[in-house]
Amino acid sequence: QQQVKQSPQSLIVQKGGISIINCAYENTAFDYFPWYQQFPGKGPALLIAIRPDVSEKKEGRFTISFNKSAKQFSLHIMDSQPGDSATYFCAAREWGNNDMRFGAGTRLTVKP
Amino acid sequence: ETGVTQSPTHLIKTRGQQVTLRCSSQSGHNTVSWYQQALGQGPQFIFQYYREEENGRGNFPPRFSGLQFPNYSSELNVNALELDDSALYLCASSSPGQGQYFGPGTRLTVT
Repeated sequence: QQQVKQSPQSLIVQKGGISIINCAYENTAFDYFPWYQQFPGKGPALLIAIRPDVSEKKEGRFTISFNKSAKQFSLHIMDSQPGDSATYFCAAREWGNNDMRFGAGTRLTVKP
Repeated sequence: ETGVTQSPTHLIKTRGQQVTLRCSSQSGHNTVSWYQQALGQGPQFIFQYYREEENGRGNFPPRFSGLQFPNYSSELNVNALELDDSALYLCASSSPGQGQYFGPGTRLTVT
């Protein structure tokens, strides 16, 4: 019962380029939107998160853009590096609910 | 600060058997959530424990059960294993209202 749709499924970017991953949701009760990075054989690592009262949040090379009216949010990775090659998951959680809903993931490859 | 740890790393079981997976939460976190991640998919929420009580459950059958201990560590138990239970099982710890921090997972293979 996927409530968060993520695209693209895979992405190839040249070193130094911008990687953009998009997510869309239906449940307007979602109020917390994190992004996770997962390397093979490891658990997901929290990268950055946003709440719907702001439209953008930046931490280092990672930026979340949030469009509440369109029910969409995206992750931008600036100056992408080969070390950023991993699978990225968007997620969303409803206030008062402990069920974090994850997207299907985007496999990012950054070519040197 | 100690991160989330899980044991064992890998496990192979036979269909119909029972399995127990363990998780130690990150220092200062009192909430533990368990997820199942099938190959090539995002994690699926199994349940969450807060102050030793189940505090939310996803769409998983009752043969998936859990415990949380006074030190906030947790166990996931799966009875009557099925082939489709083969997956990476992730534990995440958090404090209320904060982000979840995941452990490295336990890779369960059911044959």
